[in-house]
Amino acid sequence: SAVISQKPSRDICQRGTSLTIQCQVDSQVTMMFWYRQQPGQSLTLIATANQGSEATYESGFVIDKFPISRPNLTFSTLTVSNMSPEDSSIYLCSVEEYNRDTEAFFGQGTRLTVV
Amino acid sequence: GNSVTQMEGPVTLSEEAFLTINCTYTATGYPSLFWYVQYPGEGLQLLLKATKADDKGSNKGFEATYRKETTSFHLEKGSVQVSDSAVYFCALSAGLSDYKLSFGAGTTVTVRA
Repeated sequence: SAVISQKPSRDICQRGTSLTIQCQVDSQVTMMFWYRQQPGQSLTLIATANQGSEATYESGFVIDKFPISRPNLTFSTLTVSNMSPEDSSIYLCSVEEYNRDTEAFFGQGTRLTVV
Repeated sequence: GNSVTQMEGPVTLSEEAFLTINCTYTATGYPSLFWYVQYPGEGLQLLLKATKADDKGSNKGFEATYRKETTSFHLEKGSVQVSDSAVYFCALSAGLSDYKLSFGAGTTVTVRA
């Protein structure tokens, strides 16, 4: 199974600044996903990141606010730009492994607090 | 679009009680269904899954059966333990070329000794 390392694990940031979250996988994967989990709520998909192409964003999320990089098959970054307190959430990286059955693996998450 | 409706919590149980968390879904085609669990202070991890109708997923004493006729995937455990205290998420993926997960709201379960 894929092992995902996500950094930082938590951060407290000032409003108006940006934070870049890194996601490193121990194996090559085609598809990587970024989710947001707002306090007390479920996970919402932000975007799908495929290597060699631009990320695909879900409704309500835009590239200017959440730029994503995917330079190779084991790494991706998500930047939360021009942060406001409403961006305080847990951000999770996820990858899919296609063996006999499809399974998604998640990083430990980045707990972001914007003050 | 795809969506998951999950029984809202929080749910508080005594040890050895029976646990059921209801989950129903809306999807086109033949989705795969999942239950994920988030233990306190830990990341999200897959608990069980079912990829076609009438499949039963099971793990750690938990079971869920993929019911296409009722579009449901209810989670059950016959005798819960304190260590089962966690947040449980029902999720689906449309499968084939669409592997994005749609999650339910999550149900917080607390088991008391």
